[in-house]
Amino acid sequence: SAVISQKPSRDICQRGTSLTIQCQVDSQVTMMFWYRQQPGQSLTLIATANQGSEATYESGFVIDKFPISRPNLTFSTLTVSNMSPEDSSIYLCSVGRPNSYEQYFGPGTRLTVT
Amino acid sequence: AQSVTQPDIHITVSEGASLELRCNYSYGATPYLFWYVQSPGQGLQLLLKYFSGDTLVQGIKGFEAEFKRSQSSFNLRKPSVHWSDAAEYFCAVGAEEGQGAQKLVFGQGTRLTINP
Repeated sequence: SAVISQKPSRDICQRGTSLTIQCQVDSQVTMMFWYRQQPGQSLTLIATANQGSEATYESGFVIDKFPISRPNLTFSTLTVSNMSPEDSSIYLCSVGRPNSYEQYFGPGTRLTVT
Repeated sequence: AQSVTQPDIHITVSEGASLELRCNYSYGATPYLFWYVQSPGQGLQLLLKYFSGDTLVQGIKGFEAEFKRSQSSFNLRKPSVHWSDAAEYFCAVGAEEGQGAQKLVFGQGTRLTINP
């Protein structure tokens, strides 16, 4: 399995600002995913970020609010834009193995918006 | 659409007791099934997976799960729990969407509390 790191591990931000979360993998991977986990809830997929193509967003998530970059096979960023308290969540990145659905997760970024 | 149901939101067991966490899925074909564990303040760790073959799969930390097609279930079991098993457990099913995109659909999770 891949080793995945995320920065920052946590942050407290003011409403109206933006935060960029970084996800770094120790090996080259094609498939990367970004999830949101609201307090006490399960994981909701925000988007799939495959290298070489535009990110694919799930219903209810838009690029203007959650822009994603995938510059290479080991790195991705998720930006949470114009934040409101409703954006307070844990944001997790994961990497996938092709044709297996198996995913490995980073430690998450705990975001609190005040 | 694929879905996963974990009927138990919260379970409490005594240390040393056996454990079974329930998971039911909805999927037309043979599913790819997973159990993940999330300890407080941590990301998700893959416990075990089922793709095909033997319906009883072994995972890490002494966990096992049994795939029962007739019941659309994939229940997680452990014969004797340890205090360190206290965590949130998520069942997930692999779902193929358009253009071959492969996603995981997660259940709501079961929070496990261990009594000393």
